[in-house]
Amino acid sequence: GAGVSQSPRYKVAKRGQDVALRCDPISGHVSLFWYQQALGQGPEFLTYFQNEAQLDKSGLPSDRFFAERPEGSVSTLKIQRTQQEDSAVYLCASSLYGEFETQYFGPGTRLLVL
Amino acid sequence: RKEVEQDPGPFNVPEGATVAFNCTYSNSASQSFFWYRQDCRKEPKLLMSVYSSGNEDGRFTAQLNRASQYISLLIRDSKLSDSATYLCVVSLSGGYNKLIFGAGTRLAVHP
Repeated sequence: GAGVSQSPRYKVAKRGQDVALRCDPISGHVSLFWYQQALGQGPEFLTYFQNEAQLDKSGLPSDRFFAERPEGSVSTLKIQRTQQEDSAVYLCASSLYGEFETQYFGPGTRLLVL
Repeated sequence: RKEVEQDPGPFNVPEGATVAFNCTYSNSASQSFFWYRQDCRKEPKLLMSVYSSGNEDGRFTAQLNRASQYISLLIRDSKLSDSATYLCVVSLSGGYNKLIFGAGTRLAVHP
């Protein structure tokens, strides 16, 4: 069956540009997570959605980062006025429901800010 | 101090070797524990959950010591295909599975 998909797979942005990263979770999955993975590091939690509700955004590094999931399926992570330190792989994961469900990760979007 | 600490490696081992990875976590409220595997330029994939009693899946054995806040992964009879980064992961309770990752330990298995 189809897994989590993300687009674009690669994005090069000039410093100061806005970018939008898309995540299509597995159909029917209620929970959706965004993580940021810097080179040589493990993924770091950014934000969590349960259906369309954003229940935890404690990991978003600054107010330039914004995420939404308006209809409880597809999610978009938007980064405004990108900075070089935003360069990373952005991973989306979904799970069927919550606490004890396995998270399935998408292939990630590799963002490079020049 | 990082919430989850791992030896970054790399561990370079010959095929057939046994290799052990260790991990410590700082939050005693952590409730769930996992090992994920990540191949180069790929997404993390769940290798196995880790239970207090210890658990085994084929050549892989995971152990958890809650008192010491220590997690381990043992790989027996290493294969070339085991070459990857192994991520130690914990999550707190609270209704959803917010995963906290270590930086990973790199394993390279050579012929």
